[in-house]
Amino acid sequence: GNSVTQMEGPVTLSEEAFLTINCTYTATGYPSLFWYVQYPGEGLQLLLKATKADDKGSNKGFEATYRKETTSFHLEKGSVQVSDSAVYFCALSDLDTGRRALTFGSGTRLQVQP
Amino acid sequence: DAGITQSPRHKVTETGTPVTLRCHQTENHRYMYWYRQDPGHGLRLIHYSYGVKDTDKGEVSDGYSVSRSKTEDFLLTLESATSSQTSVYFCAISLDSNSPLHFGNGTRLTVT
Repeated sequence: GNSVTQMEGPVTLSEEAFLTINCTYTATGYPSLFWYVQYPGEGLQLLLKATKADDKGSNKGFEATYRKETTSFHLEKGSVQVSDSAVYFCALSDLDTGRRALTFGSGTRLQVQP
Repeated sequence: DAGITQSPRHKVTETGTPVTLRCHQTENHRYMYWYRQDPGHGLRLIHYSYGVKDTDKGEVSDGYSVSRSKTEDFLLTLESATSSQTSVYFCAISLDSNSPLHFGNGTRLTVT
C-alpha cells in the first residue's frame, strides 16, 4: 500500500537558517504530492503541492521538487523565521489505488529560535 | 478559511458511552473525511464520504461509523468509546477526489 516517511523531529534551527525536511514515499501509481503545515491549536493547511515528476511546488518561501527517481519530495526554505515554527506533514494522493483520500506522514515539528 | 465547523471542540467521556462528532461545511464540497491525529502516527483516515449516503472505510475504521444524510454534514459516531479512541479528530473537505483538502480545527476527545 501507499506510505509516506518523514524525518523525525523536532528540528530546531536558529532564525535565518536553511531548512530541509526529508520526505520519501511509496505508491503504486503516479501520486500527487503535498506539504501541509499545522500551527498550534489549528487544523492542517495546504502549503504546496506537485502533481507530476519534476514539478516544483512553492509557497511563502518554501519549495519542494517531485523526484520520481528517488521517490522523494523534500521541503526546503532558504531562511526560516520564528513564525515558521509548526508541524509539517508530507502527504500523497494516489487515485490508481481507488483511495480517494490522502496518505500522510507522521509529521515533523520545526522549532525556530530567535 | 474554508467554512468548516467541528463540534464539539473538546469532549471528555467515559469508556463504553456513545459519542457523536459533527462536521459541518458551507462550501458544498462533495468529499468529506474524518482523520484522527496521534503522536508518532500523523493523520490516519477513519472514514470518508464521496456524496450523500456514499461512504467508505479508511485504514482505522474499526469502532467507528459515519453518516452523511446531507451534503453539508458528516457525522462520526463511536458506538462504545474506548480509551484507545482518545485522540484529536479532524474533519476535512475537498471539491473532488484530487483537490487539496481543507481541514477543520479539530475535536479533542478524551475517553476515561
